[in-house]
Amino acid sequence: AQRVTQPEKLLSVFKGAPVELKCNYSYSGSPELFWYVQYSRQRLQLLLRHISRESIKGFTADLNKGETSFHLKKPFAQEEDSAMYYCALRAAGNKLTFGGGTRVLVKP
Amino acid sequence: DAGITQSPRHKVTETGTPVTLRCHQTENHRYMYWYRQDPGHGLRLIHYSYGVKDTDKGEVSDGYSVSRSKTEDFLLTLESATSSQTSVYFCAITMEAAYGYTFGSGTRLTVV
Repeated sequence: AQRVTQPEKLLSVFKGAPVELKCNYSYSGSPELFWYVQYSRQRLQLLLRHISRESIKGFTADLNKGETSFHLKKPFAQEEDSAMYYCALRAAGNKLTFGGGTRVLVKP
Repeated sequence: DAGITQSPRHKVTETGTPVTLRCHQTENHRYMYWYRQDPGHGLRLIHYSYGVKDTDKGEVSDGYSVSRSKTEDFLLTLESATSSQTSVYFCAITMEAAYGYTFGSGTRLTVV
């Protein structure tokens, strides 16, 4: 069965510092990975997908199949990046499996 | 407007009572999902639907049932609410999961 692990429940960084959110997955096939973000009192929004290799709001994520990871990175964190972030995996079919989430707090 | 709405937004109910949450979409998407969000657990799939009258269980389906009688509506029913079902419930839709989901705003349910 597929599983997504986000080992950090909370990341606290200062504005302008780099931030990296870890995501590890277990799945024997070819996965599709996503990052979702949830700002305070808002709905979850798709941040990026690994298959599109895009950079959204300065965030990037690279799929590393050897390490089964899809870490999210941003070189210079901003206060508006404070939010809850979820990593998600699409294994087979049309269902996503989510990790436990990482709360990011960017301090001024 | 994201094309998906959930109702009610908040509800407080008593243990043992039935509760129905509604998800309504205007996107004509085939797939609809119900997740619950709990601290430390992230989002866990309760039930999902891949078409009218076509539904299947997720990983935490015990105590929940669903119905989808038309494309736009997906109902989640707690047959007899328990305190362990206090949570935030999110509905999501997609035409194809490779593009990701669109989420509703959530329903905060408290069972007392």
